[in-house]
Amino acid sequence: ETGVTQSPTHLIKTRGQQVTLRCSSQSGHNTVSWYQQALGQGPQFIFQYYREEENGRGNFPPRFSGLQFPNYSSELNVNALELDDSALYLCASSFRGNYGYTFGSGTRLTVV
Amino acid sequence: GESVGLHLPTLSVQEGDNSIINCAYSNSASDYFIWYKQESGKGPQFIIDIRSNMDKRQGQRVTVLLNKTVKHLSLQIAATQPGDSAVYFCAETPSSNQFYFGTGTSLTVIP
Repeated sequence: ETGVTQSPTHLIKTRGQQVTLRCSSQSGHNTVSWYQQALGQGPQFIFQYYREEENGRGNFPPRFSGLQFPNYSSELNVNALELDDSALYLCASSFRGNYGYTFGSGTRLTVV
Repeated sequence: GESVGLHLPTLSVQEGDNSIINCAYSNSASDYFIWYKQESGKGPQFIIDIRSNMDKRQGQRVTVLLNKTVKHLSLQIAATQPGDSAVYFCAETPSSNQFYFGTGTSLTVIP
């Protein structure tokens, strides 16, 4: 059974650019959630995807968007990057209705 | 909005001693709570969970206590080992869509 894998592991972008982060969910899981973790803070919920549709969203602006694919993998897209977007972006997969989330190791995004 | 906080940002314990990490939450509607362990460079790892209809739950070397009256959660680690050094987060949810995490407690185990 494979866990949650995220790519890339590290990324440096310039302010104003766009970025796409990718996540492969754990085998058997059909729901993907994305979290942003600023340095020294706990993860904050961005949104969740189920059946290729957004299923809940945290307090993040529309420039944060996502996709879920038929194989349950997911992408997080961030447009018009700001310095404050620098953070560890975590993907977590689960089976719908089950609280058993499995987190990936994250993508460290640095915006300069 | 939700608010999940921790009483102590850092904790140092001697190897072999017991550790207690505390957490306060604010949403009375939360019905499920999880403790996560996060090591450097890794994502949060599930330790133990508890539902709001329980006061205590035990796992291997870990115990979670829930006091709904004062909205307080604690994680007890017995016979703390160097491998327990990490940041510990409590998280709560009133639904399965999202978890609200605290800011974390950094546990350092002194050999």
